[in-house]
Amino acid sequence: DVKVTQSSRYLVKRTGEKVFLECVQDMDHENMFWYRQDPGLGLRLIYFSYDVKMKEKGDIPEGYSVSREKKERFSLILESASTNQTSMYLCASRRLAGTGNQPQHFGDGTRLSIL
Amino acid sequence: AQSVAQPEDQVNVAEGNPLTVKCTYSVSGNPYLFWYVQYPNRGLQFLLKYITGDNLVKGSYGFEAEFNKSQTSFHLKKPSALVSDSALYFCAVRDEGTDKLIFGTGTRLQVFP
Repeated sequence: DVKVTQSSRYLVKRTGEKVFLECVQDMDHENMFWYRQDPGLGLRLIYFSYDVKMKEKGDIPEGYSVSREKKERFSLILESASTNQTSMYLCASRRLAGTGNQPQHFGDGTRLSIL
Repeated sequence: AQSVAQPEDQVNVAEGNPLTVKCTYSVSGNPYLFWYVQYPNRGLQFLLKYITGDNLVKGSYGFEAEFNKSQTSFHLKKPSALVSDSALYFCAVRDEGTDKLIFGTGTRLQVFP
C-alpha cells in the first residue's frame, strides 16, 4: 500500500513565524500535492509538483511556497504565518503514468493553528 | 471551466437502508470522476473512479457509483448502509487542462443504528 506520511498531526505556531510542513511518500510517485481543507470549502490546491525540483502554483498559493529537492519529499512553507492560515493541510501523491486516471493517495493531514 | 457540485451538506440514513450521496459535474470533454472518503482525523481514501466503460463502477467497502452522462451525475451508492460508513465523502473531477483534481465541498454521511 502507498504510504504518505506527514510529519506532524497537530501544530501550533505564532503569527509571523516561518512554518515548515513535511510530507514523504514511499511509492516513488512523481506527482505530489498540497491542499488545505476548510469546512464548507472542500479541498483547495495550494501547490503541486510534477517531479523533482518542479513546482506549479495551485488555486491559492499566496503566502505559501514549496520545496521538492528529493522525489519522495514535498515540503510546504508558510513564509510568515497568519491567523487565516489556520487550517487542515493535506499532502497527496500520484503516479505519473496515465496521470489523469490515477487516484491520489493522501496523508492523514496536519491540523495547523496559528495564534 | 470544470466543476463539481455536491448539493447536500449532510445525508442521514438508517443502518441497513440503501444510501445515495449525490454529485453532479461540468466538463467540456470526457469526464474522469472520483469518489473519496474521509474518516474523522484522517486523510482522504480513494473509493472508486470512472474513466470509461460501464456506467456502474464498483469500489471499496461495498460502494458503487453510477455514471449518467445525460444528467451529468456520478452518484455514490451502497445497498445497505453500516454505522461505520459515517464519514465525509468527496466527489472530484479531473481538470482537463492540468490533470489536477477539482473537489466538491463534501457531504457528511450519518448512518444511525
